[in-house]
Amino acid sequence: TQLLEQSPQFLSIQEGENLTVYCNSSSVFSSLQWYRQEPGEGPVLLVTVVTGGEVKKLKRLTFQFGDARKDSSLHITAAQPGDTGLYLCAGGGETSGSRLTFGEGTQLTVNP
Amino acid sequence: KAGVTQTPRYLIKTRGQQVTLSCSPISGHRSVSWYQQTPGQGLQFLFEYFSETQRNKGNFPGRFSGRQFSNSRSEMNVSTLELGDSALYLCASSSAAPGSGYTFGSGTRLTVV
Repeated sequence: TQLLEQSPQFLSIQEGENLTVYCNSSSVFSSLQWYRQEPGEGPVLLVTVVTGGEVKKLKRLTFQFGDARKDSSLHITAAQPGDTGLYLCAGGGETSGSRLTFGEGTQLTVNP
Repeated sequence: KAGVTQTPRYLIKTRGQQVTLSCSPISGHRSVSWYQQTPGQGLQFLFEYFSETQRNKGNFPGRFSGRQFSNSRSEMNVSTLELGDSALYLCASSSAAPGSGYTFGSGTRLTVV
């Protein structure tokens, strides 16, 4: 069974601070996706990374896929209250086909 | 382009009843997946349909079933509801192209009393 562990589980910071969320597994994933979910809504896809060592930037968000494709990180620079939400990583397995394995999520709160 | 539409948004059912949830994917998307989200277990994969065929199935009891129609719309059914089935049920559609990711609907909040 493939598992993804996210850390930290909860994060409360002040506007303007930087933060990093981690997503780790003992399994190899063919791709890894990051989503953000707001209360009462479904997750919204932020990025997909597929190549070991890949780095993608989306404005103030930087995503990295580990060289061995077992881990990933999300770094947010100068966080804003609008970044508040539940951040989820999800792995697409090499043998699981279309099924995604989700981490437990990181609940981020950015205080003004 | 319209997003993924799930109906109903909220549902309250009594233990022992059955329920049917509906999902209309993004036009052109042939893959539809269903997930259950609960505070304790997070997001768990139920099943995935592609071109009317179940392509992948999670570890849920047989009370959970689904189907997909020729227009790619999908339904999931839960029979003999239990209190533990209370959850947010999310549908996601994909073009199934490599690295394309999934677009989720807003979900159906099911409460079993």
